[in-house]
Amino acid sequence: NAGVTQTPKFRILKIGQSMTLQCAQDMNHNYMYWYRQDPGMGLKLIYYSVGAGITDKGEVPNGYNVSRSTTEDFPLRLELAAPSQTSVYFCASSNLRGRDTQYFGPGTRLTVL
Amino acid sequence: GENVEQHPSTLSVQEGDSAVIKCTYSDSASNYFPWYKQELGKGPQLIIDIRSNVGEKKDQRIAVTLNKTAKHFSLHITETQPEDSAVYFCAASIGGSQGNLIFGKGTKLSVKP
Repeated sequence: NAGVTQTPKFRILKIGQSMTLQCAQDMNHNYMYWYRQDPGMGLKLIYYSVGAGITDKGEVPNGYNVSRSTTEDFPLRLELAAPSQTSVYFCASSNLRGRDTQYFGPGTRLTVL
Repeated sequence: GENVEQHPSTLSVQEGDSAVIKCTYSDSASNYFPWYKQELGKGPQLIIDIRSNVGEKKDQRIAVTLNKTAKHFSLHITETQPEDSAVYFCAASIGGSQGNLIFGKGTKLSVKP
């Protein structure tokens, strides 16, 4: 049981490039989340999903897109990367929403230069 | 919008002392309050949580108290050990049990041997 896995661990992008951050979970959780963590700012919700085919915006969705074609995978797409997207990105999953343990992946550190 | 305030941002204690981290929340409908521990280079991990129908919960050296009237909750760590050194995040559910979590900005705890 690997839990929540994320790839890559590190990435450097140039301004204007695009990339996809991968996230997968093997706990059969319906709920999945993407957060970004900036120094001293805690975790901010980017997007979340309540099941395959259903996604919704969180607190800071601008500049990102997501899809959820399967229960296991929840990729995050960055289009036209900007320096403001330099951050550490965490994917998480949970069995229930809002009142249950969220299991986090190890994170992806992204730098946009 | 709804928010969670967390204090202090940094906390340094001697091994064996107690540590207390406090959070206040704004959403009256919040009813789930988890605490996460994040070690360097890793994703956050749940250490304890409390629901609105309970005033206090303990798990070995860790305890959480909740005052719904005052909208604040606290994490207490007794007999601190060097391995307790980490960043701690509080969170609150938004809009009741079906909402997402909103996180505090974190407290960096250092336990000196």
